[in-house]
This record gives sequence, structure tokens and C-alpha cells, in this order.
Amino acid sequence: EAQVTQNPRYLITVTGKKLTVTCSQNMNHEYMSWYRQDPGLGLRQIYYSMNVEVTDKGDVPEGYKVSRKEKRNFPLILESPSPNQTSLYFCASSLSWQLAKNIQYFGAGTRLSVL
Amino acid sequence: QKEVEQDPGPLSVPEGAIVSLNCTYSNSAFQYFMWYRQYSRKGPELLMYTYSSGNKEDGRFTAQVDKSSKYISLFIRDSQPSDSATYLCAMSITSGSSNTGKLIFGQGTTLQVKP
Repeated sequence: EAQVTQNPRYLITVTGKKLTVTCSQNMNHEYMSWYRQDPGLGLRQIYYSMNVEVTDKGDVPEGYKVSRKEKRNFPLILESPSPNQTSLYFCASSLSWQLAKNIQYFGAGTRLSVL
Repeated sequence: QKEVEQDPGPLSVPEGAIVSLNCTYSNSAFQYFMWYRQYSRKGPELLMYTYSSGNKEDGRFTAQVDKSSKYISLFIRDSQPSDSATYLCAMSITSGSSNTGKLIFGQGTTLQVKP
């Protein structure tokens, strides 16, 4: 089954404790992206990757890191999480960076709470 | 001012009603326009996309783009309870004649269709 898998689905952590949210897709997609969703603010893009070893900042990259060492994986790293990073995070992928021509598939989401 | 503005609602309509969802934007570089639907506790899914000004129809859904007014709409005819969801508009920035991969979402409008 074609899917985007995020782990963990739920995470509670404390300020400053490094964490990684994993994202994996099994569709051989070139494009992957991370978003955060907050009430009243909609989805905001954090980072995206057009292909392996190619990443770029979205709208809200501060406090986040990503890497794209292989096509299927695109982990989101929070080196020193802070309470303002409490949010619902989504990973997404699509066949190519031409987003309007290719369906973007979203993962089920990771709900993160930073205390 | 946000680049993309969307009335968050909530919007409540009776079954069978015509629903109109709208977004305005300020950046004339946006060239691709998308509508996503997000059910509760799920990731967004692409509903429709369009490139040029004018209308695009898909079943009960019609996407409309007016680039001169920087305004896009999604119309849902004969709305059903199963249409109850959050609808997000999204726009991608172009560089020359290509998408850059950066995607900007509106805040999302929550729609409830009552039987």
C-alpha cells in the first residue's frame, strides 16, 4: 500500500531535549516536505526537499533541521525543542516538485507537546 | 499581512446547499492554486488544482481563480454530510515558468453540513 509513515504519532517531551520525527515513503517520490499545523494558522511549510541531498527552507524553518540522505526518508530534527514548537506536524511527499501536477500524499500526523 | 487569507469559519449549512469557500492572496507570483480537504484527525488530501484564471469543474466541485483580483473560490454543489471537513487553499510560488516547491496554505475553513 502506498503511504507516508510518520513516527511517533504522539510525543511529549521537555524543553531542550533533542528529538527526531521520522518520515518514510514507499512510492519512490522525489519531493518531500514537512509542515506544522496550528489553530488559526493553517498549515505552514517548515522545510522541503526536491530530491536526495537537496533541501530548502519553507516559511517557518527556525528551530528545525532536516536531512535527505536517501530518497525514502526525510527526518525532522528539533535540536533544542521549545514550547512554541508544540504543534501537529505533517510529512508529505509527491512524485515531483511540480506540486500542482502531482498529488501530494500526507502522513497521519505527529502531535508534539513540548513542556 | 499574510500572503494567503482564508476565512476560518466555522461554516454550517444544511444538506443540499451550495457552499462557497474563498481565499485571497497578495503575492502575484503565485501561479498554481490548490484546494485540500482535511477530515478530523487525518492529513490533508488534494481535492482540486488549477493553473489559469477561470473555472475548473470536477463532479460537485468547482474551483474558480480570478488572478486580476487575487481571489480563488471553491464551490460545492448539493453538499453532503460527508463533505464536513476543513478545506484549505494552497498556492505555489513559481520561479520563471516552474514551481519552486514552496507551498503556502490558507488558514483553512471548517465546514459542517447538517443532514
